[in-house]
Amino acid sequence: SQQGEEDPQALSIQEGENATMNCSYKTSINNLQWYRQNSGRGLVHLILIRSNEREKHSGRLRVTLDTSKKSSSLLITASRAADTASYFCAPSQGAQKLVFGQGTRLTINP
Amino acid sequence: DAGVIQSPRHEVTEMGQEVTLRCKPISGHNSLFWYRQTMMRGLELLIYFNNNVPIDDSGMPEDRFSAKMPNASFSTLKIQPSEPRDSAVYFCASSLILAGGGETQYFGPGTRLLVL
Repeated sequence: SQQGEEDPQALSIQEGENATMNCSYKTSINNLQWYRQNSGRGLVHLILIRSNEREKHSGRLRVTLDTSKKSSSLLITASRAADTASYFCAPSQGAQKLVFGQGTRLTINP
Repeated sequence: DAGVIQSPRHEVTEMGQEVTLRCKPISGHNSLFWYRQTMMRGLELLIYFNNNVPIDDSGMPEDRFSAKMPNASFSTLKIQPSEPRDSAVYFCASSLILAGGGETQYFGPGTRLLVL
C-alpha cells in the first residue's frame, strides 16, 4: 500500500469560490479515492477514480487523474460553508488496505 | 442500513484501566479496519480483518493493544493497560473487498478516548 500526499496542507477561501486540492503518489495505482472528514466525524467516501479514467464528476466535485505525473486533483466548485472539512486522498495498488496522509484542511469563509 | 456502529462514543478512563472499544460493521461487508487518529500522527491503520481473520496487524503499537473479530458482525479493540498517550479517536471502518482490493471504506463515527 502507498500513501498519498495532499497539498496544500491548509486552504482558506471565500464561500462561492472554487477549491482545488492536489494529491501525489509514488507508484502505479489501480484506483484513487477521495474522502472528506468533518470535524469530529468519521471519513466519508466522496469519489473513486480508476487508473484508466482521466476525469470524473459527482455533483460539485470534479476529480482528475494524471497517471503519468502520479497526481490527482479534487475541485469543489461554488464552495459552501458545509464544505469546511479535511480532505484525504487514498491511492490504491489493489491492496486491501488504504493508507491515508495528513489531508488538506479546507475552510470556507462566509 | 445503519452504517458502521461504534460504541462507546466517548470513553474517559484512568491510566492502567482496561478499555474495550466495539464495532459492528455493515452487514455483508467482509473486511474491517481499526484506525487511530491524533493531531500529531494523523490517521493510522492499526489492524484489519478479512473474513474475520486478522490480515495485517503491523500498525498495532504494542502488546497492550489487541483486536478480535469473533464473527462477521462484531469486532473489539482492547487496550490493557491504558496509558495517557493512547488518548485519541479510534475509528472502525468496513468494506466489501473484491478480488482487486482498494474498495471504498465506510467509517463509523469513532470513539473518543481520553486516558487520564
